[in-house]
Amino acid sequence: NAGVTQTPKFQVLKTGQSMTLQCAQDMNHNSMYWYRQDPGMGLRLIYYSASEGTTDKGEVPNGYNVSRLNKREFSLRLESAAPSQTSVYFCASSEGPVRNQPQHFGDGTRLSIL
Amino acid sequence: GDSVTQMEGPVTLSEEAFLTINCTYTATGYPSLFWYVQYPGEGLQLLLKATKADDKGSNKGFEATYRKETTSFHLEKGSVQVSDSAVYFCAGSARQLTFGSGTQLTVLP
Repeated sequence: NAGVTQTPKFQVLKTGQSMTLQCAQDMNHNSMYWYRQDPGMGLRLIYYSASEGTTDKGEVPNGYNVSRLNKREFSLRLESAAPSQTSVYFCASSEGPVRNQPQHFGDGTRLSIL
Repeated sequence: GDSVTQMEGPVTLSEEAFLTINCTYTATGYPSLFWYVQYPGEGLQLLLKATKADDKGSNKGFEATYRKETTSFHLEKGSVQVSDSAVYFCAGSARQLTFGSGTQLTVLP
């Protein structure tokens, strides 16, 4: 059971470079999310997509863009990477945006920006 | 805005000890409450949840009861094992999922 798959697992970038983090889910979920995890701060929502064709900003969207390519795939793009974006990034999905539905997480992408 | 306050760690226990990790949630309305667990190098996994007052979530020997008066959802386990060593996150869902800062648990044999 694949669940939520994120690529790459690790990446090192130089300041100013761009890159796209990929996420795909095989559970036929409608909603998808991108979080970042920093030490001592839990997970913070960057962007989410309640359903195919829609995207919305979360708590910390600055410096990021997203694309909901289709129902399965939701990518996160850093246009000009900054050291403050060094973090672990998690993609998640849920059946829908309603409040009592649990989210399913990928294993994360560990991103370092020098 | 919504917030989750979770007991800070790290917490170190001996095998078979009793575990409590405190969690309270502040929000408009009554959110659903969750506990997630994160093992090293992995993503978060749902451990248990409760969607309304007085609900008790349970899984793998862990329990938590949704207390309406204080919007608390403390995680408990009567006898921890070495394999329970992980980071535990409390989370609440009113509009979006809001996470606590996580509690690192280490269980020693």
